[in-house]
Amino acid sequence: AQTVTQSQPEMSVQEAETVTLSCTYDTSENNYYLFWYKQPPSRQMILVIRQEAYKQQNATENRFSVNFQKAAKSFSLKISDSQLGDTAMYFCAFSWEYGNKLVFGAGTILRVKS
Amino acid sequence: ETGVTQTPRHLVMGMTNKKSLKCEQHLGHNAMYWYKQSAKKPLELMFVYSLEERVENNSVPSRFSPECPNSSHLFLHLHTLQPEDSALYLCASSQDYQHSYNEQFFGPGTRLTVL
Repeated sequence: AQTVTQSQPEMSVQEAETVTLSCTYDTSENNYYLFWYKQPPSRQMILVIRQEAYKQQNATENRFSVNFQKAAKSFSLKISDSQLGDTAMYFCAFSWEYGNKLVFGAGTILRVKS
Repeated sequence: ETGVTQTPRHLVMGMTNKKSLKCEQHLGHNAMYWYKQSAKKPLELMFVYSLEERVENNSVPSRFSPECPNSSHLFLHLHTLQPEDSALYLCASSQDYQHSYNEQFFGPGTRLTVL
């Protein structure tokens, strides 16, 4: 069975600094998709960034980028120039190549401090 | 209304009650999902519907009964729940079920408390 592990239950960062959230996963699949979703306090969960496993190039979306290490089964999220609005629970998620169903990690609470 | 909406936002029910959660998506999507978010546990996928047909049932107890009358609406009927069923129930939708790359759009959730 696929599992997703986020080893950092909580993290904090100063505004404007950079923070990296960790995620590891376990799968025997060769192709799959990985996602980071963000759940702000009392607000809806939204997609931050996604990565296809067969693409070696790391995905980037503005201040958000990933470090995808397929052999190590690692998928970390880097947030640059952290903003107060980045305060949220961040979930790493795995999906098979076909069949859009997500397996989530336990989440990391990120607090951005002014 | 835009995106994915859920009603009610909060629900308190006794173990013998019958209630229903409602989800509606205004995105023209063909796949809809129910997730359970418990404290200190990862989100758990409960059910998936694709074009109104149930395609996934993740060993969910029969006291949870989903219904998808059309591609825009999804219900979760609740009957004889247990206190451990208290959680945030999230609905999501995506363009389709086949393509895993598609983003899932989430509703705000229903906070359920079972007394």
